[in-house]
Amino acid sequence: VHLVESGGLVVQPGGSLRLSCAASGFTFDHNSMHWVRQSPGRGLEWVSGITWNGADTYYADSVKGRFTISRDNTKNSLSLQMNSLRPEDTALYYCAKDMYATGRLANWGQGTLVTVSS
Amino acid sequence: EIVMTQSPATLSVSLGERATLSCRASQSVSSNLAWYQQKPGQAPRLLMYGASTRDTGVPARFSGDGYGTEFTLTISSLQSEDVATYYCQQCYDWPYTFGQGTKLEIK
Repeated sequence: VHLVESGGLVVQPGGSLRLSCAASGFTFDHNSMHWVRQSPGRGLEWVSGITWNGADTYYADSVKGRFTISRDNTKNSLSLQMNSLRPEDTALYYCAKDMYATGRLANWGQGTLVTVSS
Repeated sequence: EIVMTQSPATLSVSLGERATLSCRASQSVSSNLAWYQQKPGQAPRLLMYGASTRDTGVPARFSGDGYGTEFTLTISSLQSEDVATYYCQQCYDWPYTFGQGTKLEIK
């Protein structure tokens, strides 16, 4: 299993950013997928999840209405569209593979860093 | 949202001794509880799921216990490579939530 995140940048407050996760080494459309973030020196925060076919999406209250998760099973790709970014969104964003649809995060990428600062 | 609370925040244990980490849920999560290990500069790693099932390759010195709202992760004989921060996570209901972590150190 290989998960590679990309798209992290320095962005101003109020700006937008789109993160991507390229998946390989497993049958992508058999698993739910998630985004988890970690602010510098802080703990893990689950951000968003999506079911295998994209029919159902879920969000942490802290990002609901601002972030949108999506997937393209034809390209083995997961995305996170982040709008109205705030300084508190600054974090390392991890893509994680679910153990099917159990919520157990069996595999993780190495993360992509998002910095929201003026 | 289900709130997960871990204790202690930091735990210091001597090499070869037992380490016990605790996790409490604000409401019952049945056995839908996972533990993760995160070493400095690395991504988290799934250690335990279903409260007590070790993931592939996890040493037998790691064990998990609990049901409902109270859970423990035990390392029977601490090794130097176990120095890390450990997180619990409920996967019972969306949004899935993590505890704030327990940092395990060598005494």
